[in-house]
Amino acid sequence: DAGVIQSPRHEVTEMGQEVTLRCKPISGHDYLFWYRQTMMRGLELLIYFNNNVPIDDSGMPEDRFSAKMPNASFSTLKIQPSEPRDSAVYFCASSFLAGAGSYEQYFGPGTRLTVT
Amino acid sequence: DQQVKQNSPSLSVQEGRISILNCDYTNSMFDYFLWYKKYPAEGPTFLISISSIKDKNEDGRFTVFLNKSAKHLSLHIVPSQPGDSAVYFCAASGENRDDKIIFGKGTRLHILP
Repeated sequence: DAGVIQSPRHEVTEMGQEVTLRCKPISGHDYLFWYRQTMMRGLELLIYFNNNVPIDDSGMPEDRFSAKMPNASFSTLKIQPSEPRDSAVYFCASSFLAGAGSYEQYFGPGTRLTVT
Repeated sequence: DQQVKQNSPSLSVQEGRISILNCDYTNSMFDYFLWYKKYPAEGPTFLISISSIKDKNEDGRFTVFLNKSAKHLSLHIVPSQPGDSAVYFCAASGENRDDKIIFGKGTRLHILP
């Protein structure tokens, strides 16, 4: 398996523009997670899905952020409008289970977003 | 408020010596603890885990110790090797199916030649 695939790997955009990050999870995994990594806050969970349904979006910073999972093999994280403080590395991860005893998540390589 | 804390942003250790990375947590409901390792320009990868019913779990050069009364866990790497230079994230989760994983901010480990 190719692992979790994210695109683009790097994104540079101007403040106010819309940004869309994409993720293809590992086939067969039931859970998909979106994380954001910054120096100040470390690795934060933004939202996660189980069988394409959003379970917990309490980590989404504000209404400018939205995530979708239209099918089991694709998810997007959208920021509209983007702001300089959104600059971070965004990771997508997937796992077979999220329950007790099976917490191993497989991370993609991340998308480094820079908003100028 | 951070539920999982890694108070040392960085750590330098001589090659061949023991590396000890520490982690504290505040939520007594956490039931499962993990360590992830991250190289630059890559995503984190799972390293080792421990259930709250244990106090030690060993996997080759890596051992995780859990002290529930102190709400503290540590990762020991013996002997440290150059390839161990990376950022290490401590993480914790509850016992329920949909409990999410809470990560610490990470500790950058430098293995010195």
